[in-house]
Amino acid sequence: KQEVTQIPAALSVPEGENLVLNCSFTDSAIYNLQWFRQDPGKGLTSLLLIQSSQREQTSGRLNASLDKSSGRSTLYIAASQPGDSATYLCAVILTGGSNYKLTFGKGTLLTVNP
Amino acid sequence: NAGVMQNPRHLVRRRGQEARLRCSPMKGHSHVYWYRQLPEEGLKFMVYLQKENIIDESGMPKERFSAEFPKEGPSILRIQQVVRGDSAAYFCASSPSPGNEQYFGPGTRLTVT
Repeated sequence: KQEVTQIPAALSVPEGENLVLNCSFTDSAIYNLQWFRQDPGKGLTSLLLIQSSQREQTSGRLNASLDKSSGRSTLYIAASQPGDSATYLCAVILTGGSNYKLTFGKGTLLTVNP
Repeated sequence: NAGVMQNPRHLVRRRGQEARLRCSPMKGHSHVYWYRQLPEEGLKFMVYLQKENIIDESGMPKERFSAEFPKEGPSILRIQQVVRGDSAAYFCASSPSPGNEQYFGPGTRLTVT
């Protein structure tokens, strides 16, 4: 059974700081990995999708890396801003079968202080 | 291109009533997934559907819950005889093909009183 863990559960940083969010998964046979942000009371916004054959993806100030062999992914946020405050979720899809469900971690609650 | 739409956004039901949650996928997407987010818990997969077919319902409670995605119209998640433990946020996601990026709707927040 795939389990996804995100550390830390909460993080508070001053504006402008670079930061790293961590995600680990127990089964390395993943199809892809997706990072989302969720604002309070809102839906999920997809940030980055990394295919299993890729090592990283970048979008603006965000960079996500993937190391399948060690079962880890990181989300790097450069020059953080108060608008980045949200819960960040990591989710994976396993290979094989017809089930393409996302298995989620519980998220990291990020607060960026002005 | 409109995103994934869900309605209602908020739904209040008394114990024993039925709840119907609707999801319209993004244009061109024929794959729909439903997830549930319980308070203090992470998002959990419930069911995966394609047009007129249930592909995987391994995350659905075996009783009272059902889902459909008809040829025409939105996908519907139905909860019969709701109980307080059904109170949660229910999210729908869609993708253009299996395993592709999933796009989420704003969710329906169900409160059972």
